[in-house]
Amino acid sequence: NAGVTQTPKFQVLKTGQSMTLQCAQDMNHNSMYWYRQDPGMGLRLIYYSASEGTTDKGEVPNGYNVSRLNKREFSLRLESAAPSQTSVYFCASSDLGKGGYTFGSGTRLTVV
Amino acid sequence: KNQVEQSPQSLIILEGKNCTLQCNYTVSPFSNLRWYKQDTGRGPVSLTIMTFSENTKSNGRYTATLDADTKQSSLHITASQLSDSASYICVVSVQAGTALIFGKGTTLSVSS
Repeated sequence: NAGVTQTPKFQVLKTGQSMTLQCAQDMNHNSMYWYRQDPGMGLRLIYYSASEGTTDKGEVPNGYNVSRLNKREFSLRLESAAPSQTSVYFCASSDLGKGGYTFGSGTRLTVV
Repeated sequence: KNQVEQSPQSLIILEGKNCTLQCNYTVSPFSNLRWYKQDTGRGPVSLTIMTFSENTKSNGRYTATLDADTKQSSLHITASQLSDSASYICVVSVQAGTALIFGKGTTLSVSS
């Protein structure tokens, strides 16, 4: 019963490097989300995908891109990492009709 | 502006004691209010979810209340345990949308 799986759990990047954060869910949820969590702040929405084939910007999309590969997988890409993107990133999925959100365990990213 | 404010920011209690965490929100139109528990280094885990018409929802030793008129919610923890040490996050959902408005959380430390 995996729920939402994120990889990697930790990553250190140099400024300007690129990387992709992976997320997969096995609950057959239609909607998937990427959030970032910074000290002293609530989780903020980066991008979401309400259903397979669609993606939309959230509150803080600049510097990120996403791909909804299929119903299970939703990836987040940093094309040119910046120190301001140092954060903990959470993927989540939901079945809006039932109201529940399930979060992954997070990716701790440090950009130096 | 949609906002969720939580208090206190942090709290230290002795094992076995009760405590109450507060959440005030200015979110419109309101859909539902959720309380999440987030252990250090983990993703948030849902404790309760309440819609407009629900006043109280319990999950074991956790009891959430909602006053939609005053736009206030509380989370009461009974007979606290060391494992209750975590951040507790209040989240309000905007009606007919995917937006979740997160509070900054209350950090609870339970000591023996």
